[in-house]
Amino acid sequence: GAGVSQSPSNKVTEKGKDVELRCDPISGHTALYWYRQSLGQGLEFLIYFQGNSAPDKSGLPSDRFSAERTGGSVSTLTIQRTQQEDSAVYLCASSALGPKGTDTQYFGPGTRLTVL
Amino acid sequence: KNEVEQSPQNLTAQEGEFITINCSYSVGISALHWLQQHPGGGIVSLFMLSSGKKKHGRLIATINIQEKHSSLHITASHPRDSAVYICAVGRNNDMRFGAGTRLTVKP
Repeated sequence: GAGVSQSPSNKVTEKGKDVELRCDPISGHTALYWYRQSLGQGLEFLIYFQGNSAPDKSGLPSDRFSAERTGGSVSTLTIQRTQQEDSAVYLCASSALGPKGTDTQYFGPGTRLTVL
Repeated sequence: KNEVEQSPQNLTAQEGEFITINCSYSVGISALHWLQQHPGGGIVSLFMLSSGKKKHGRLIATINIQEKHSSLHITASHPRDSAVYICAVGRNNDMRFGAGTRLTVKP
């Protein structure tokens, strides 16, 4: 079956522009996570969705970051007024059961964002 | 101090060697994950465990909840095992990650 997919795979944008990153989780997975991996840095949690519950946004670094999950499936991470420090690989993961980090997560290939 | 500490940071081994990567954490967790990130960037979940020991092929993961410590072992290492191995702990709704251990297995 299909794994987690993300698009685009690469995105280059100018400072100050808005970007949208998309994640298609594995069908039937109720939990969806967004992470960020900056160059030379470890993974960083951004946001978590579980079913129709309100998302856990505790990891979002600023109010320029927002995410939606429509119909409990596809998710979009939006970064407004991008800054150079936003340059990173943005990873999405999904799991069959949630929450609380207790279930195997399947990772997408990531979107590499470069802000010039 | 990071909540999740891994050691060593870098590890070079000869093909066939037994490898151990350690992970210590300082927070309460619901589960601990071992992830593998290949040079191309893709991440694969190797293990999720909350107690005891799990084995998959040449990989073994153990966890000691009382000591807040986990180890990942690779038996009969092979060059294709070369990757970054990441320890992550699940707590509440989020995950906290170690900095990773870069493993290079030479033929």
